[in-house]
Amino acid sequence: GAVVSQHPSWVICKSGTSVKIECRSLDFQATTMFWYRQFPKQSLMLMATSNEGSKATYEQGVEKDKFLINHASLTLSTLTVTSAHPEDSSFYICSARDQAFFGQGTRLTVV
Amino acid sequence: EDKVVQSPLSLVVHEGDTVTLNCSYEVTNFRSLLWYKQEKKAPTFLFMLTSSGIEKKSGRLSSILDKKELFSILNITATQTGDSAVYLCAVEVAGNNRKLIWGLGTSLAVNP
Repeated sequence: GAVVSQHPSWVICKSGTSVKIECRSLDFQATTMFWYRQFPKQSLMLMATSNEGSKATYEQGVEKDKFLINHASLTLSTLTVTSAHPEDSSFYICSARDQAFFGQGTRLTVV
Repeated sequence: EDKVVQSPLSLVVHEGDTVTLNCSYEVTNFRSLLWYKQEKKAPTFLFMLTSSGIEKKSGRLSSILDKKELFSILNITATQTGDSAVYLCAVEVAGNNRKLIWGLGTSLAVNP
C-alpha cells in the first residue's frame, strides 16, 4: 500500500536554530501534502496544505515565515521550522493521498 | 463554526468487552467522515464513510454513519489489549484542499 516516509522521527535542537522535516511519498505521487501539529493530549491541528509547484496554503494563525513549506516535487514535501523556540516543541505529522496515509511523525524538542 | 465532538473522551474496558465510540459533527459542506487509530505515533486510517446506513467492517471493527442525525459510531467487538489507542474522528469538508476537521479523540484502554 501507499507509504509516506517522514524524517527525522525525533529531533532535539537549540533555541534559535532551524529544523527541516521531510516527507516522501514512496510509491505514489503526492500532489498535495498536509502538515499537522499535535500537542500532548490534543488533536491534530492543520498547519498548512502544500501543493506541488505552488505556494502552500496556511491556516489562520500559522506564521508562514516561521514554518516554511516547500513542495518542489511530486514525492517530497518539507517543513522547516525557522528560529525554533521551546513553544514550537510538538509532534509534527504529514499526510497525503487524501489523508489516508500519514508519515510516522516528528517529535521536535527545542531546548 | 465547524466542529467534531467525540465521546467519551476516555474509556477503560476489559479484554473481550464490546465498545462503541461516538462522533457527532456540525459542519458545512460535508464530504466524508473518517476514523483513525493513533497509538504512539501518527494516525492509521480505519474507515471512510460517505453514505448513511452503510456499515463498513474490518475484522472486529465496524462503523456506520447517520447523515440525518449527524453522527457516526465505531464499534469494536471482543476487544484486545492491542486495541488500546486513541481513536480519532475527522470530517472532511468539501473544497479545493479537502480540509479535515478533527475531534479530540477517545482514549481507549483495554485491560487484560
